[in-house]
Amino acid sequence: EAQVTQNPRYLITVTGKKLTVTCSQNMNHEYMSWYRQDPGLGLRQIYYSMNVEVTDKGDVPEGYKVSRKEKRNFPLILESPSPNQTSLYFCASSKTTVQETQYFGPGTRLLVL
Amino acid sequence: DAKTTQPPSMDCAEGRAANLPCNHSTISGNEYVYWYRQIHSQGPQYIIHGLKNNETNEMASLIITEDRKSSTLILPHATLRDTAVYYCIVRVEDGNNRKLIWGLGTSLAVNP
Repeated sequence: EAQVTQNPRYLITVTGKKLTVTCSQNMNHEYMSWYRQDPGLGLRQIYYSMNVEVTDKGDVPEGYKVSRKEKRNFPLILESPSPNQTSLYFCASSKTTVQETQYFGPGTRLLVL
Repeated sequence: DAKTTQPPSMDCAEGRAANLPCNHSTISGNEYVYWYRQIHSQGPQYIIHGLKNNETNEMASLIITEDRKSSTLILPHATLRDTAVYYCIVRVEDGNNRKLIWGLGTSLAVNP
């Protein structure tokens, strides 16, 4: 089944404790992206990747890092999480940079205390 | 900032057509209109997209006005499972990144 998976689905952590949210897709997609969703603000793009070893900042990249060493994986790294990073995070992928159809993962709900 | 304006909420009776409006008066000539939906904090799901012409697929129809300043998503026979937040989105060119500018969407409630 074609899908985007994220782990963990739920995470509670404390300020400053490094964490990684994994994202994997099995559709051989070139384009992958991370979003955060907050009440009243909609989905905002954090980082995106057009292909292996090609990543770039989205609209709200501060406090986040990403890597794209393999085509299927696109982890999101929070080196020193802060409470303002409490949010619902989505990973998405699409076949090419055209983004004609983005496939979204199930989401990761993060709470930073 | 979102380039689209949608009503915050709508109701529809089960089995009837749901018509969801969207205004995008500042859309540029090469910018596409996309529709996604999100069911209860799950990952958004693609529905349909278009540029100038009306489009139809197995999920919905998209009607775009001739001046492209507004569009309507039509779910022809709404079911309870269509209850969701529907996002009308404009795809913009941002350097070498084509990205979707998300607004707050319309919360559609399909009632029995």
